[in-house]
Amino acid sequence: KAGVTQTPRYLIKTRGQQVTLSCSPISGHRSVSWYQQTPGQGLQFLFEYFSETQRNKGNFPGRFSGRQFSNSRSEMNVSTLELGDSALYLCASSWGFSDRQSDTGELFFGEGSRLTVL
Amino acid sequence: EDQVTQSPEALRLQEGESSSLNCSYTVSGLRGLFWYRQDPGKGPEFLFTLYSAGEEKEKERLKATLTKKESFLHITAPKPEDSATYLCAVQANDYKLSFGAGTTVTVRA
Repeated sequence: KAGVTQTPRYLIKTRGQQVTLSCSPISGHRSVSWYQQTPGQGLQFLFEYFSETQRNKGNFPGRFSGRQFSNSRSEMNVSTLELGDSALYLCASSWGFSDRQSDTGELFFGEGSRLTVL
Repeated sequence: EDQVTQSPEALRLQEGESSSLNCSYTVSGLRGLFWYRQDPGKGPEFLFTLYSAGEEKEKERLKATLTKKESFLHITAPKPEDSATYLCAVQANDYKLSFGAGTTVTVRA
């Protein structure tokens, strides 16, 4: 079956601009999480969406936002870009359950969107 | 705050030379500990989930174990294709995953 698809794979922006990244989860997966990966900080959790609702959020400023559509596809947006936002942004999907009881933490990651801010 | 520390940062092995990677953690209520493998230019790939101390999981040349404060990933008789960055993550009661910085393993033929 098709894996997690992220677009675009690479992009270059300048400081102050904004960017929107897209993620299509594995068919049937209802939970989508976003992570930022940098050499210095490693993988850091941004937020998680389930059934179009943000269910969990990491410690990132309000410039980072996201949303999920009814077909489980998700987008994340970063406004007023800073040099430090240069990173690999990874999307991960999982089955997700409304009561959380069966959430296993097993995530399926996409290949990421590599953002460079100049 | 949940913390995950992996050691060593890098490990260079000769093909067939077994070794272990360490993941120590502090977390407010452990729901599970996870191992992922990440190849250059790719997203992480799930390997194992461990839920309680004493649990062990195996997959090919990899074996993961869990104690109350740390986890080990043992690589037995590694091959060059085992070269990758291995990431450890813990899931706390709030369901958030916290990742360690990873151990980059290089296996020479």
